[in-house]
Amino acid sequence: NAGVMQNPRHLVRRRGQEARLRCSPMKGHSHVYWYRQLPEEGLKFMVYLQKENIIDESGMPKERFSAEFPKEGPSILRIQQVVRGDSAAYFCASSYRVANTGELFFGEGSRLTVL
Amino acid sequence: DQQVKQNSPSLSVQEGRISILNCDYTNSMFDYFLWYKKYPAEGPTFLISISSIKDKNEDGRFTVFLNKSAKHLSLHIVPSQPGDSAVYFCAARDNSGGSNYKLTFGKGTLLTVNP
Repeated sequence: NAGVMQNPRHLVRRRGQEARLRCSPMKGHSHVYWYRQLPEEGLKFMVYLQKENIIDESGMPKERFSAEFPKEGPSILRIQQVVRGDSAAYFCASSYRVANTGELFFGEGSRLTVL
Repeated sequence: DQQVKQNSPSLSVQEGRISILNCDYTNSMFDYFLWYKKYPAEGPTFLISISSIKDKNEDGRFTVFLNKSAKHLSLHIVPSQPGDSAVYFCAARDNSGGSNYKLTFGKGTLLTVNP
């Protein structure tokens, strides 16, 4: 069952370290979306990527955060010099085409804890 | 500024009865609304959606009602089953800026269905 795969499921980092979260979309999907869920909050859009292209990164914090979706391999969300406020669940979703009806397929999420 | 609001953090109902989950929004440019269901430690899964040109959409035990003038939608589950116990997120899409893939989520309502 090739659903959206995210790893690691849980990641613990100390302040100042780097966090790398990986997302493999569903088979045949070339559109990837990252959402972040802070404690007690709803999911918030971060970035939308297609293969080798960032389409919309309007939800990404301007510093320390970056995302990529290379031609080969998973999409990577990278957080440099993590701070406690980065502790959250990071969800990746994918779609076969632009998800203009919003019916995204989400992964199980990566839970980042910053000590 | 929270554009999608789910004012009830939790709801408890008896098995077999109706569950009604509510959602209010402020952005009049939202044209598509969705409900996602989320179990602990899993990603959200799409449940049901409705276009702004409709006022009702039904799928089995799940019905979503949209009242555009009140900027309010609700999800009805009848009859409720213990397996329906989960967090339910209301989400909406604003297609006015061309970013028809971007969803705005509410904070969620935890539904507990008691046997």
